[in-house]
Amino acid sequence: EAEVAQSPRYKITEKSQAVAFWCDPISGHATLYWYRQILGQGPELLVQFQDESVVDDSQLPKDRFSAERLKGVDSTLKIQPAELGDSAMYLCASSLGLAGEHIQYFGAGTRLSVL
Amino acid sequence: SQQGEEDPQALSIQEGENATMNCSYKTSINNLQWYRQNSGRGLVHLILIRSNEREKHSGRLRVTLDTSKKSSSLLITASRAADTASYFCATDVSGSARQLTFGSGTQLTVLP
Repeated sequence: EAEVAQSPRYKITEKSQAVAFWCDPISGHATLYWYRQILGQGPELLVQFQDESVVDDSQLPKDRFSAERLKGVDSTLKIQPAELGDSAMYLCASSLGLAGEHIQYFGAGTRLSVL
Repeated sequence: SQQGEEDPQALSIQEGENATMNCSYKTSINNLQWYRQNSGRGLVHLILIRSNEREKHSGRLRVTLDTSKKSSSLLITASRAADTASYFCATDVSGSARQLTFGSGTQLTVLP
């Protein structure tokens, strides 16, 4: 069964360092999402791509976060510099992008700890 | 911001009992979905109910939707220890760009 791949699974970094997360969606899925999930809460959307284009990055803290999906397939989310408050689970999801009834498929996530 | 509020925040039951979780939301929706998340893992889609549907079943899952009250419930019958997880409702909001807005989740613990 096809899965969304994410790496690394865990990342520990010191504040002010740069970190990067990678996501490979299910083949053929045009829409890719990055979420941040704080412990005990639901996922919150950071950025949404349709193919290689950003559809929505209104909740992305652009002073320190960046995301790209250059060839419309895999994607990278970067934080520079990391802050203590960035400690969270970062989830990637993909969907076919069909209107009206889209289901999202999630990767296992990257757990980030900023010390 | 999170559109859905789930109730209860945490639920602990014995194996074999039924578990009911509720979700309330604020705006008009195309559909409402329920996802499950095991500890430290990603979310897994469970079931989708369209705005013109009132009830849907899938195996041991039963979902209801009341659009007049902007609420939904998820019933898990004959629960098992393996059902222990967090459960999230997610709304596909009318007019949104194929986005889901997730609730805060219910942590279900099924005791053997």
